[in-house]
Amino acid sequence: GENVEQHPSTLSVQEGDSAVIKCTYSDSASNYFPWYKQELGKRPQLIIDIRSNVGEKKDQRIAVTLNKTAKHFSLHITETQPEDSAVYFCAASIWTGTASKLTFGTGTRLQVTL
Amino acid sequence: NAGVTQTPKFRVLKTGQSMTLLCAQDMNHEYMYWYRQDPGMGLRLIHYSVGEGTTAKGEVPDGYNVSRLKKQNFLLGLESAAPSQTSVYFCASSKQGESTEAFFGQGTRLTVV
Repeated sequence: GENVEQHPSTLSVQEGDSAVIKCTYSDSASNYFPWYKQELGKRPQLIIDIRSNVGEKKDQRIAVTLNKTAKHFSLHITETQPEDSAVYFCAASIWTGTASKLTFGTGTRLQVTL
Repeated sequence: NAGVTQTPKFRVLKTGQSMTLLCAQDMNHEYMYWYRQDPGMGLRLIHYSVGEGTTAKGEVPDGYNVSRLKKQNFLLGLESAAPSQTSVYFCASSKQGESTEAFFGQGTRLTVV
């Protein structure tokens, strides 16, 4: 099955700096790569996603890049703010023909300090 | 529009007891999923369903059973709870098809003593 590795497990940045989280996946059939943000005690929520036919996608301060050849994708957050502090999960999805199955990374705890 | 709702939010079980977690969605989604979340291990898929009356095993199905008798509901059962099943359980749902966003419930914190 699919295996998704995520690094780093914890990341501390100062407010205003950039944060980068990296993920690799094992199955070349994966074609959808969402990123979820989970605040303490809350449910995971989608913040951005990218499909395999796109190399980069940006939404305000958040961007995701995908390198299909190397099988890795990254989340970039610029001008970080205290409210960006949370756990971020990457995921890779394989379409089986009847179902879309997400495999998650182990998460990155981002702390934005003042 | 409540989205995805899980019942209960918290539960403490004794080893060997059984319980059922209920997930309900009002978005008319075809696909529903049950995940467990453990520290340092991310979210792992237990079982999933691609439609009413269908279920399939995920990554960590042992010790759990599921049923999807109605499109809007997906039940997760623990027949004989074990301490290793102490976890936070999340239900999610998504539209039919490729590359669709998964919407999560608020989670159920289960402790087995």
